[in-house]
Amino acid sequence: DAGVIQSPRHEVTEMGQEVTLRCKPISGHNSLFWYRQTMMRGLELLIYFNNNVPIDDSGMPEDRFSAKMPNASFSTLKIQPSEPRDSAVYFCASTLQGRVYEQYFGPGTRLTVT
Amino acid sequence: SQQGEEDPQALSIQEGENATMNCSYKTSINNLQWYRQNSGRGLVHLILIRSNEREKHSGRLRVTLDTSKKSSSLLITASRAADTASYFCATDKGSARQLTFGSGTQLTVLP
Repeated sequence: DAGVIQSPRHEVTEMGQEVTLRCKPISGHNSLFWYRQTMMRGLELLIYFNNNVPIDDSGMPEDRFSAKMPNASFSTLKIQPSEPRDSAVYFCASTLQGRVYEQYFGPGTRLTVT
Repeated sequence: SQQGEEDPQALSIQEGENATMNCSYKTSINNLQWYRQNSGRGLVHLILIRSNEREKHSGRLRVTLDTSKKSSSLLITASRAADTASYFCATDKGSARQLTFGSGTQLTVLP
């Protein structure tokens, strides 16, 4: 298995631009999590899905952030418009529903907003 | 604030020595687990300990859990340079289907 796949691995964009991060979970996993990691705030859960349905988006910082999971093998995290404070590493993780404790993380997308 | 707080924030040891990292949390939990993150990579699950367990071993890893003190420790024995990474504790609690991560310990093992 290829593991969780994220793209792009690095993204540099200017303030105000739209950014879309992509994630392909491990085949068969039906829970998907989006995290953000910064030096200041550590690893924060943004949103998670069970069976493609968003369950808890209380970690999404602002309305500028949105996430979708149109099918079991694909999810996106969109930031529009982006701001410099959104600069962080964004991770996607997947697991089998109910096995929240054994999440498989992707390599992350390093986002820099200038 | 985060559920788990690790200490120390950074630890530097010589290869072959043992490394001990601690994690404290605030509320009751179902499980506690430890993850490793190599520089520039995603987190990798290492070991899980359930709230009714006190100690668990996996290879060179030993985890303890003291629910009365709301704390856990991760011991890596006979450390290797390849163990250099950040280590995070994570907890899940109640009916929540999500993990809360600590702030991490940066371990450096010098060859």
